[in-house]
Amino acid sequence: SAVISQKPSRDICQRGTSLTIQCQVDSQVTMMFWYRQQPGQSLTLIATANQGSEATYESGFVIDKFPISRPNLTFSTLTVSNMSPEDSSIYLCSVEAGEETQYFGPGTRLLVL
Amino acid sequence: QKEVEQNSGPLSVPEGAIASLNCTYSDRGSQSFFWYRQYSGKSPELIMSIYSNGDKEDGRFTAQLNKASQYVSLLIRDSQPSDSATYLCAVNTGGFKTIFGAGTRLFVKA
Repeated sequence: SAVISQKPSRDICQRGTSLTIQCQVDSQVTMMFWYRQQPGQSLTLIATANQGSEATYESGFVIDKFPISRPNLTFSTLTVSNMSPEDSSIYLCSVEAGEETQYFGPGTRLLVL
Repeated sequence: QKEVEQNSGPLSVPEGAIASLNCTYSDRGSQSFFWYRQYSGKSPELIMSIYSNGDKEDGRFTAQLNKASQYVSLLIRDSQPSDSATYLCAVNTGGFKTIFGAGTRLFVKA
């Protein structure tokens, strides 16, 4: 398994601002993923980030709203741009660690006022 | 639309009993199946993976897969209050695309 950390662990932000979430892994991984989990709901995939290429976004998510960077094999960032209260959620990064298995970071709890 | 369906629960079992969690999926071509446990306020934690039909046992946990029926289950033997959590079924539908069910809340009563 992989050890994954995320920063910040939680934040309270004003509408219209942006927040960048960092995800650090203790080993090199090819695929990293960003999910959103709203209260009482399951995980919704935002995008897949492969090192050295543009992120692939799922239906309903766009790069202008959720820009992603993947500068190397151990790190990625997700930015939530021009936030509104509807963006309040838990944001999770995960990594693929062989046999299509994913391991998750601790999550970032975001509240937008 | 590829889907993974779970009963949301809550499923309540007494301590020491067997908890049975079920999941169905729509994509017949799916090959990899996972169970995650998520405690309240925490991120999902992988507890089992299964790739072929039949049973796979790991300690108190047994995953069961029936591809013909498109059905995955998780049995927890000798349930403990510490098993109280939401259990997410996840199905890989090809490449790196994994779809998660909404989860079943399990309560184990002491």
